[in-house]
Amino acid sequence: ETGVTQTPRHLVMGMTNKKSLKCEQHLGHNAMYWYKQSAKKPLELMFVYSLEERVENNSVPSRFSPECPNSSHLFLHLHTLQPEDSALYLCASSQGIHTGELFFGEGSRLTVL
Amino acid sequence: AQKITQTQPGMFVQEKEAVTLDCTYDTSDPSYGLFWYKQPSSGEMIFLIYQGSYDQQNATEGRYSLNFQKARKSANLVISASQLGDSAMYFCAMREGVSSGSARQLTFGSGTQLTVLP
Repeated sequence: ETGVTQTPRHLVMGMTNKKSLKCEQHLGHNAMYWYKQSAKKPLELMFVYSLEERVENNSVPSRFSPECPNSSHLFLHLHTLQPEDSALYLCASSQGIHTGELFFGEGSRLTVL
Repeated sequence: AQKITQTQPGMFVQEKEAVTLDCTYDTSDPSYGLFWYKQPSSGEMIFLIYQGSYDQQNATEGRYSLNFQKARKSANLVISASQLGDSAMYFCAMREGVSSGSARQLTFGSGTQLTVLP
């Protein structure tokens, strides 16, 4: 069992669909993150949660809605996305929000048609 | 201004040889940490090595070492004895304010695609 698990690994959706990405960490960490990775761009931090509370939201459009029901699970709800939202969405966790390295999942490859 | 700069979009190295991946950074904070991650085609980002700004010695982890030149603000990753499995994207990242208790989140560079040739 890997430390950080993301599902689905691949997702294709239309602009009017509603879908969710799921992330689960089995490392006992207190912080979880969503990153967006677009082609030929640095990773962009989207959201940070610490002990289930959102501590950072980097000007992400409201069509992306995070949810953190407990310290082990993190969701990213998607609705009315645009084609430019197609990217690899990476979930990560860490011991605390200011220390240590991040442990990443394998990502969810999203394609918006 | 970019915080992390990786000037090599792609690099090739012969199997069993050493390779250096460049990374320069920009910060006015005296306390920071530098990270290298590897991303194979599977997508997962794998932590490789960490260097703190106050660390006296260059970090090493197995075949990975970090050539930390503080005055030049560079933190190059050296991979010795390259293996075919080392082919991947490599990202340099920085976290500022690590000693202050209010460190910022990781900032990543744009990455270097390393290809190891048989």
